[in-house]
Amino acid sequence: DSGVTQTPKHLITATGQRVTLRCSPRSGDLSVYWYQQSLDQGLQFLIQYYNGEERAKGNILERFSAQQFPDLHSELNLSSLELGDSALYFCASSSGTGYNEQFFGPGTRLTVL
Amino acid sequence: EDQVTQSPEALRLQEGESSSLNCSYTVSGLRGLFWYRQDPGKGPEFLFTLYSAGEEKEKERLKATLTKKESFLHITAPKPEDSATYLCAVRDSGTYKYIFGTGTRLKVLA
Repeated sequence: DSGVTQTPKHLITATGQRVTLRCSPRSGDLSVYWYQQSLDQGLQFLIQYYNGEERAKGNILERFSAQQFPDLHSELNLSSLELGDSALYFCASSSGTGYNEQFFGPGTRLTVL
Repeated sequence: EDQVTQSPEALRLQEGESSSLNCSYTVSGLRGLFWYRQDPGKGPEFLFTLYSAGEEKEKERLKATLTKKESFLHITAPKPEDSATYLCAVRDSGTYKYIFGTGTRLKVLA
């Protein structure tokens, strides 16, 4: 157990809908990262927050947004969902700004029908 | 464009048969090369961070090395429990983005 929690574990929804994925980092970690993993694209970095501020942005679509709250938990919002958004979404956390190890959560499996 | 390429895509070894996995990278400025292990359906698990050419790190049967263009993950006398996908990632110093390779799927047979 990495200490990172993600909810929900599974999510099934329809095209055009909007969902919110939630992540609680390990106690004491200030950075939260979001990744998307699909079979054909591997693990793709989406975005990083450090202590509430956006730190780095990867290949995150405009339909997706994230934020980190004062209690350090983070949410990833996915809107206008398409079939291609079906994937495993991982959250990770680290203690620093990004040069140290990341601890990954168990992931949320999103299925868009 | 930043890129990470891992080879081979898949590798089958007999228990005790040592081998190496390769990670070659192209990035404007390297601020860390990371190795992770991922079991099916689970999140990646951190193994090593390397920062500069010539650096080496070891953990049990695994040893990671780094040059200016690539990294190797050496597996000595592997056991079936070493079977997993091994992922390599780099962090770009300019954008702070993380770029992951597609991984090497390792299967160690008893």
